[in-house]
Amino acid sequence: QVQLQESGPGLVKPSQTLSLTCAVSGDSITSSRYFWTWIRQHPGRGLEWIGSISYQGNTDYTPSLQSRVTISIDTSKNQFSLDLTSMTAADTAVYYCARVSSTLMTTYNWFDPWGQGTLVTVSS
Amino acid sequence: DIQMTQSPSSLSASVGDRVTITCRASQSISTHLNWYQKKSGRAPKLLIYSTSTLQSGVPSRFSGSGSGTDFTLTIRSLQPEDFAAYYCQQSYGTPLTFGGGTQVEI
Repeated sequence: QVQLQESGPGLVKPSQTLSLTCAVSGDSITSSRYFWTWIRQHPGRGLEWIGSISYQGNTDYTPSLQSRVTISIDTSKNQFSLDLTSMTAADTAVYYCARVSSTLMTTYNWFDPWGQGTLVTVSS
Repeated sequence: DIQMTQSPSSLSASVGDRVTITCRASQSISTHLNWYQKKSGRAPKLLIYSTSTLQSGVPSRFSGSGSGTDFTLTIRSLQPEDFAAYYCQQSYGTPLTFGGGTQVEI
């Protein structure tokens, strides 16, 4: 059974860089059938796709965050990471990592499973 | 970006009720539509993918339908454990986008 677990700081100061890691267990992160994804949910609001990465390091990011986000992958540790620079209060959210299925016909499909999520608060 | 609009944003229902949630896409997304259930403090759970395919382990009282721009999630007979938020998500194109959610309350 595949499990994902986020880790990282719960509190970040404004203008700093957020760094989160997602550890994957129960499956190899090098499977070509999947991409690895970060999603966030602002308090009381909906879900926002941040971006995804393949095991080969190919990435896609949401345009609104593209200038500030980097997703990377470490196949030796079976984990992937999120860096989000220039954090502001607007980036306060629960951050989730998830696996997204991929096929030859459709690069991205559904997200399953998800990690438990980690709350990141931006405050001085 | 493909905008996903869910309605209603919240609803009140009772155990045993039939509940219908609608999701509308701003352009045709064929059947590239997925549904998730989210309970407070827990990770979202995939319920239905590709519009109508039930994820393994999901009770058969959940069903999905639609194509193009209009989609529906139906809960045939609401159970106590179904009180949660429900989100649709399109996987037709990037950026991948979600609906605003529907909170199902007692």
